[in-house]
This record gives sequence, C-alpha cells and structure tokens, in this order.
Amino acid sequence: ELKVEQNPLFLSMQEGKNYTIYCNYSTTSDRLYWYRQDPGKSLESLFVLLSNGAVKQEGRLMASLDTKARLSTLHITAAVHDLSATYFCAVVGNQFYFGTGTSLTVIP
Amino acid sequence: DAGITQSPRHKVTETGTPVTLRCHQTENHRYMYWYRQDPGHGLRLIHYSYGVKDTDKGEVSDGYSVSRSKTEDFLLTLESATSSQTSVYFCAISETMTANNQPQHFGDGTRLSIL
Repeated sequence: ELKVEQNPLFLSMQEGKNYTIYCNYSTTSDRLYWYRQDPGKSLESLFVLLSNGAVKQEGRLMASLDTKARLSTLHITAAVHDLSATYFCAVVGNQFYFGTGTSLTVIP
Repeated sequence: DAGITQSPRHKVTETGTPVTLRCHQTENHRYMYWYRQDPGHGLRLIHYSYGVKDTDKGEVSDGYSVSRSKTEDFLLTLESATSSQTSVYFCAISETMTANNQPQHFGDGTRLSIL
C-alpha cells in the first residue's frame, strides 16, 4: 500500500511570508496532484505533476516534483489571507492515495 | 465545474439503520469513487467503480457496499450504520484511473452523523 505523508499538518503564517509544504510518498509513482479545500467545501484541483522535475505555478503557489526522492513541494510566496485553506497532495498507485492534508492559516 | 451531485448533503440517523448515499454525474466519466474524510486521516478510499456493475474495494471498505447500475449513478450503502461511520463522504469522478493527466473531480460532500 502506498503511503503519503504531508508536513506540516498545521501551518500558521503571516501575510507576506514564504513557506513550503512537503509531500513524501512511499513507492514509485509518476504523477502527483495537489488539491485545495476550503472549510466545509469540496476539493479543488490545483496542479497535476507528471514527471520528474515538473514545476507548475499559479499565482503565489508553485508545485514541484522529484520522483527520485519521492517528494513534492508546494511553495507559497508572499502569502495572503485568501490562501487560507487545507492543501492535499495525492499520488496514483493502483488507486489514488491522499496525504493527511496541511491546514494553512494566513494571519493578516 | 464538473457536474457531480451528491445527495443528501446532510443526514442524521441512528445506529443500526441502513443509509444510502447517492452520487450522480453528468460528465459520462468511467470512474467513480467514494471517499470518507476524517480529521487526521485525509481522504480514504472506500470503494470505486470502473464501469457499470464493475466495482472494487478501497482501503476502508468494511461495513460499506456500492452499486452502479448506470454510468451516471454510484450508490454507497451502509447496511447497518455504526457511530464510527460518522464522517464526511465525498464522491469523485475521473475519466481514467492512471492513464492521463486528469485529476479527480469532487462532489460537494455529504455530512453523515450516526447517533
């Protein structure tokens, strides 16, 4: 069974600061997804990373994938309050496996 | 937004009663999934379907059954609900499981409380 670990689980940061969320997975996979979930809402797809070295950016979020290290990062640049949400990574093995999520709170 | 409708959106019931949750899609996607979301566990797969009448178990399938009689509908049944099944349930769809770069698309969730 594929295991997916995210850290930190909780993150409180001030507006304007930078931070990185990490997603480690236990076995080989060639694709990784990042999702965002607002409180009480559904999950929204942010990024799809398909190969080693892949990098995707959207606004203040940038995701990267290192398949050799089995690691993906979600980097937040100059955080704003609107980025407060829970972020999940998911890896595909014989099915989709999700990390436990990182709850991000951006403090004004 | 992907056309996925979950019903009911909220339900409170008693231990031992049967419960059925419905997921309806308008995207004609082959794959449909049921997840439960609990604090500290992220999303865990209960069952999934890869076609009409074709289903398979996920990592937390005990106590749950599913059926898919039409492409657009995927039902999740708790035959005899227990308090440990109190959770938020999400339905998701995808065109394929692993063959392309499309993510899963999620419904709005069903909040189920079992007293």
